[in-house]
Amino acid sequence: QQQVKQSPQSLIVQKGGISIINCAYENTAFDYFPWYQQFPGKGPALLIAIRPDVSEKKEGRFTISFNKSAKQFSLHIMDSQPGDSATYFCAALYTGANNLFFGTGTRLTVIP
Amino acid sequence: NAGVTQTPKFRILKIGQSMTLQCTQDMNHNYMYWYRQDPGMGLKLIYYSVGAGITDKGEVPNGYNVSRSTTEDFPLRLELAAPSQTSVYFCASSYIDRVGQPQHFGDGTRLSIL
Repeated sequence: QQQVKQSPQSLIVQKGGISIINCAYENTAFDYFPWYQQFPGKGPALLIAIRPDVSEKKEGRFTISFNKSAKQFSLHIMDSQPGDSATYFCAALYTGANNLFFGTGTRLTVIP
Repeated sequence: NAGVTQTPKFRILKIGQSMTLQCTQDMNHNYMYWYRQDPGMGLKLIYYSVGAGITDKGEVPNGYNVSRSTTEDFPLRLELAAPSQTSVYFCASSYIDRVGQPQHFGDGTRLSIL
């Protein structure tokens, strides 16, 4: 059973466009929602994270939007660049757990 | 600063063989983890450790064993390799696994069982 559902599986965006990746969860105990970025041949690296007491967090061109009532959160990449081409994973964790539950990943390709 | 180092990077095993995937971290992190990553499935936790001498099962522990004799090292053992264990394995570490503490990942071991 997939605890965190992620879509789309793949995404192609023109340079300068906005990339949007969506995730949904069921477990209301989750209280930490990170996004990881993974380049080919490398391990995932933390990109940005949010807690459910805020609805939005922005770091540079990356923004997480969080909708607690809908149990959904999304990653927005503004002014997408070819260097952003990677696989993105959303994840969720709750305090006291030792398990990050990952989404299935989105392969983003930014076309020059 | 090496971070999390995994060896080997690639390995091919025959069914029934055994091997140990090595993981070491130099950040003095107390928590360490092993994940497997399968295409289209994200990452699944195999085992984790909250400190030397303490380990526990994750979501998919069957067919694997771990040990944690030092803070730095967290090897993963496959005793009887099966085709279903073909995957990319990632080791990660974090300092005091609480909300807001990121996990740092190694670059993975790509394992094929034939």
